[in-house]
Amino acid sequence: GAGVSQSPSNKVTEKGKDVELRCDPISGHTALYWYRQSLGQGLEFLIYFQGNSAPDKSGLPSDRFSAERTGGSVSTLTIQRTQQEDSAVYLCASSDGLAGDNEQFFGPGTRLTVL
Amino acid sequence: GENVEQHPSTLSVQEGDSAVIKCTYSDSASNYFPWYKQELGKRPQLIIDIRSNVGEKKDQRIAVTLNKTAKHFSLHITETQPEDSAVYFCAASKGGRRALTFGSGTRLQVQP
Repeated sequence: GAGVSQSPSNKVTEKGKDVELRCDPISGHTALYWYRQSLGQGLEFLIYFQGNSAPDKSGLPSDRFSAERTGGSVSTLTIQRTQQEDSAVYLCASSDGLAGDNEQFFGPGTRLTVL
Repeated sequence: GENVEQHPSTLSVQEGDSAVIKCTYSDSASNYFPWYKQELGKRPQLIIDIRSNVGEKKDQRIAVTLNKTAKHFSLHITETQPEDSAVYFCAASKGGRRALTFGSGTRLQVQP
């Protein structure tokens, strides 16, 4: 079946602009996660959704970052007034259950470049 | 919160040799420890995971060991092949907080 998909694959924007990144999880997966991967670094957790609610937003680095999920499926990560330090690959992952140890399946990521 | 340390950051081995990557974690409540492989420009993919109720798990050439007392876990790859070359990430999570905390990654280079 189809895996996790993300769009766009690449986004170049100017400092101060807003951007929206989209994640389409595996069908039926109730849990969805956003991570950020800076060049040559590990993955940094941003936010976790169970269904449409976000019980854990502790990784969002500032109030310029927000995310929503509708219909228990697609999620959008919005970054307002982008800064150069926001440049990174934004990865989305989904998993299929309520248990905390279910495999997370990753999307291909969106590479964001802020000029 | 949880902190995961991973080392070495780079590892070069000859084809056929074994490779070992080690991680330590700080939160004794963590109970799930996956390992991901990320090839250049690709998405991370799970290669093996272990839960805190077992000390070792093996899948063909890959094994993971867990020492809960010392709070460390290791990835062992035997008979390495050039296609094992990639960046490997360890991670940890606990049941109540399902996000993964990742280590900083190990770049493994297998020389043919």
